[in-house]
Amino acid sequence: SQTIHQWPATLVQPVGSPLSLECTVEGTSNPNLYWYRQAAGRGLQLLFYSVGIGQISSEVPQNLSASRPQDRQFILSSKKLLLSDSGFYLCALDRSYMNTEAFFGQGTRLTVV
Amino acid sequence: TQLLEQSPQFLSIQEGENLTVYCNSSSVFSSLQWYRQEPGEGPVLLVTVVTGGEVKKLKRLTFQFGDARKDSSLHITAAQPGDTGLYLCAQRKWGAQKLVFGQGTRLTINP
Repeated sequence: SQTIHQWPATLVQPVGSPLSLECTVEGTSNPNLYWYRQAAGRGLQLLFYSVGIGQISSEVPQNLSASRPQDRQFILSSKKLLLSDSGFYLCALDRSYMNTEAFFGQGTRLTVV
Repeated sequence: TQLLEQSPQFLSIQEGENLTVYCNSSSVFSSLQWYRQEPGEGPVLLVTVVTGGEVKKLKRLTFQFGDARKDSSLHITAAQPGDTGLYLCAQRKWGAQKLVFGQGTRLTINP
């Protein structure tokens, strides 16, 4: 079965500092990969999704970028963090079939101070 | 842009009561999924509905997909404190691969 590894679990960063969150996948190949952000107690905002290596779709113009250098690796980055970048970041995968289940990592709680 | 509207946003009821939460869109769904999320964890799939008018049951949870495939509901019978959590619906539009979530319903069941 597939598993998703996200790290770190929590992160406190000053405004203006860079960010790199990594997500790696095991147990499957050629998955769709997603980055979502979640405000406290609210729904998931889709940030980026990728259907393959080097293929990134950006959903919301913002201070973040994503890359997929390998099939099972998805990276979320920022050159300079803003206070508004704080939130709970979730990496997810699903298969390229219409009704498949999405599996999520444990998330990273980012606080920008 | 959020494509899915969930209501209510917050719901707090007593143990043993029944409740229904809703998920609506102006677009036709190819399929719709319901997820439940605990604090500090990722969402976990409860059900996928595909066919208009479809009804699926998962113990005390009943999921219904609207005939026009634009709406769905989740009904919980005799709610228990263990049902507490954030309930999210998610959709893929026809021809799209990305999975988009609603804003969720925060459900609290009081003992």
